[in-house]
Amino acid sequence: NAGVTQTPKFRVLKTGQSMTLLCAQDMNHEYMYWYRQDPGMGLRLIHYSVGEGTTAKGEVPDGYNVSRLKKQNFLLGLESAAPSQTSVYFCASSWVQGNFDQPQHFGDGTRLSIL
Amino acid sequence: SQQGEEDPQALSIQEGENATMNCSYKTSINNLQWYRQNSGRGLVHLILIRSNEREKHSGRLRVTLDTSKKSSSLLITASRAADTASYFCATLEKGGATNKLIFGTGTLLAVQP
Repeated sequence: NAGVTQTPKFRVLKTGQSMTLLCAQDMNHEYMYWYRQDPGMGLRLIHYSVGEGTTAKGEVPDGYNVSRLKKQNFLLGLESAAPSQTSVYFCASSWVQGNFDQPQHFGDGTRLSIL
Repeated sequence: SQQGEEDPQALSIQEGENATMNCSYKTSINNLQWYRQNSGRGLVHLILIRSNEREKHSGRLRVTLDTSKKSSSLLITASRAADTASYFCATLEKGGATNKLIFGTGTLLAVQP
């Protein structure tokens, strides 16, 4: 049981290049999330999904797009990478019940540098 | 920013001592959660406390919640070197329609052997 798996683990891009980060979960969770973590900023929500085929904006969505074509996968895309997008990106997933007191399960992150 | 804040930003203690870290938040909440992050890894859920609870225990962890002050504390008793990590609080806003969490900025705990 792998939990939440992120690929790639590391990537270096040049300004203007595009790439897609992949998140896969094997826990049959409905909800999935993409965060970025910057020094001194904690985690900030980029986009999230409440089920297959749905996506929604989080706190810092600009410059990113997402897709959830399959329940187990959540893709984060950078169409034209900028140095300000240098960060560590985390994917998470969770169950959903009425009172929303289910923890989120995190992958180990993708470290992305934009030159 | 909606982010909560944690205090202290960094804490260094000796093995066997207790570690206390605090979290302040801004909105009315449904619950508050604490997560641990080891260096180079993802976050791991530690404990959740609901807004109608004041204290909760799990092993060596004790969490308190004061909704009137919009604050929480995490106490780790009899710390071990393996407790060295960053600790984050996260809040679920009351009345929210999804499981979106607002994370604090974290406390970096170093436990010296």
